[in-house]
Amino acid sequence: GIQVEQSPPDLILQEGANSTLRCNFSDSVNNLQWFHQNPWGQLINLFYIPSGTKQNGRLSATTVATERYSLLYISSSQTTDSGVYFCAVDRGNTPLVFGKGTRLSVIA
Amino acid sequence: DAGVIQSPRHEVTEMGQEVTLRCKPISGHNSLFWYRQTMMRGLELLIYFNNNVPIDDSGMPEDRFSAKMPNASFSTLKIQPSEPRDSAVYFCASSLRGRFTEAFFGQGTRLTVV
Repeated sequence: GIQVEQSPPDLILQEGANSTLRCNFSDSVNNLQWFHQNPWGQLINLFYIPSGTKQNGRLSATTVATERYSLLYISSSQTTDSGVYFCAVDRGNTPLVFGKGTRLSVIA
Repeated sequence: DAGVIQSPRHEVTEMGQEVTLRCKPISGHNSLFWYRQTMMRGLELLIYFNNNVPIDDSGMPEDRFSAKMPNASFSTLKIQPSEPRDSAVYFCASSLRGRFTEAFFGQGTRLTVV
């Protein structure tokens, strides 16, 4: 099956810093989603981005489907950004396959 | 829409007992997924349904696990008998089946088997 690799596995930032999270996948995909799992365990949809670039406030994402990767940018990080960020992909009409996530800690 | 609704949010049970987790998908969605999250294995798919029909249950760990979807607005995941290694967070998700679709997750059920 398709493999999803996320990097880095862990990241510690000072409040206000910027960061880039990466997601590589092993085969062509129809769908790609980024999620934030907050400290309460809830999986929050950030982006649905099978290709192209999207922005939502301080967050933006870019997927280059032909090169099989996606990037999540967090600018001016805040302590509330802490948690685990997951990338998940599917090949269309199939369930999402998740990466292992990037654990982000933002320190005040 | 209220989103995907799961119940209970937390469940503590003794080994050997039956556990039933419940899920109400987003209205209009016709695909439903059950995932399990553990520290060791991350988020893994257990089973998914399209139009109330189970499509792939290869992720169901053992015969102790069973899932049903009697109608488009309700699904259950049952563990009988439960074991301590079943302790995990169980998520339900739904989407509109098609080539380009976005999945939405419930808040999860944290199961502890003692």
